[in-house]
Amino acid sequence: EPEVTQTPSHQVTQMGQEVILRCVPISNHLYFYWYRQILGQKVEFLVSFYNNEISEKSEIFDDQFSVERPDGSNFTLKIRSTKLEDSAMYFCASSPFSSYNSPLHFGNGTRLTVT
Amino acid sequence: GDSVTQMEGPVTLSEEAFLTINCTYTATGYPSLFWYVQYPGEGLQLLLKATKADDKGSNKGFEATYRKETTSFHLEKGSVQVSDSAVYFCALRESSGGSNYKLTFGKGTLLTVNP
Repeated sequence: EPEVTQTPSHQVTQMGQEVILRCVPISNHLYFYWYRQILGQKVEFLVSFYNNEISEKSEIFDDQFSVERPDGSNFTLKIRSTKLEDSAMYFCASSPFSSYNSPLHFGNGTRLTVT
Repeated sequence: GDSVTQMEGPVTLSEEAFLTINCTYTATGYPSLFWYVQYPGEGLQLLLKATKADDKGSNKGFEATYRKETTSFHLEKGSVQVSDSAVYFCALRESSGGSNYKLTFGKGTLLTVNP
């Protein structure tokens, strides 16, 4: 069964550094998402992406964050200058349709630790 | 805005016990409802879904019925196993336009099943 792939599984970085989290969505999917989960807390929406542009973003997704689909397969989340509070598990998700009854397919996540 | 409230954990049960995890929601339209499961060290996996009132989603012995009158989607299983130990997330995907159909999650409920 096709799956969403995320790399790396764990990233450690120093405060102020830039990080890029990578995702390969399922190949025929058109809608892409990033979520994050701070340890022990709820899964929070960051951003949705369709047709090479952001469809919606949350308050968390400020100017330090950006997303890109640099080619036909990858979908990346960049954090320009990491802060301690960016430490979290970041999940990429994709969906074939925009239909509300279509579930999102999630990757296994990248655990980001900012020191 | 949309929100999902699920019972606080952790929930600890003995093997073969009956499980209920309560979930209620607030939405402006007619959302689809989902349960996702996160096994230790893994990502989010879709467990089951229901897309309209009175629908029952089921998978792996788990069931949940979409109750519009009580705005609820409680997860149940008749006889839990040790392998069911995980975090369970209730989520909704709004049907109205403008939300790009992002998923809104509850806080998650940690279930531990002891032999």
